[in-house]
Amino acid sequence: GAVVSQHPSWVICKSGTSVKIECRSLDFQATTMFWYRQFPKQSLMLMATSNEGSKATYEQGVEKDKFLINHASLTLSTLTVTSAHPEDSSFYICSARDPLVVEQFFGPGTRLTVL
Amino acid sequence: QQQVKQSPQSLIVQKGGISIINCAYENTAFDYFPWYQQFPGKGPALLIAIRPDVSEKKEGRFTISFNKSAKQFSLHIMDSQPGDSATYFCAPRVGSARQLTFGSGTQLTVLP
Repeated sequence: GAVVSQHPSWVICKSGTSVKIECRSLDFQATTMFWYRQFPKQSLMLMATSNEGSKATYEQGVEKDKFLINHASLTLSTLTVTSAHPEDSSFYICSARDPLVVEQFFGPGTRLTVL
Repeated sequence: QQQVKQSPQSLIVQKGGISIINCAYENTAFDYFPWYQQFPGKGPALLIAIRPDVSEKKEGRFTISFNKSAKQFSLHIMDSQPGDSATYFCAPRVGSARQLTFGSGTQLTVLP
């Protein structure tokens, strides 16, 4: 099956710093990637949808200047949490859509802890 | 508007028993009905999915039952095993390029 990787798997940072999370589709080209946030014992909340070469579409309530998304190639999307604060601590998960099988494949997630 | 309502929130079954999780939806435009399995600290993984032109799909111990008129679909896990203990999400979708709409999740615990 298709594989999506995320890096790093976990990160701890100080309040006010920026953190970049990478999402890669390893064996297929992903025209669309999705970024989700998941708080403990809650469901996945879609943050934004990114299409290769174009600006991301953010869900209502998600600050686009705080959560910068770049989908520069068909195999890589990045999420940068700028000026992170403790309330940004969460589990961030990306998914990538394989257009050949019309299915989304999820990455393993990145645990962000902001001190 | 809550588009997807999943129940129960948590479920405990004995090993060998049947686990049943339900998902009710409002958006009649949904045309793809998957169930995802998520283990702690991991991303979700597709377990089984169904299209609205069939009423049931079975893959091994996992079965989806789909009732279009009632706008409901359910996941049945036969002969439940401790390794099935995880959180399950329904996540229907409109069209192939659209995002999934996740239910609230069901935490399944299978006792040995």
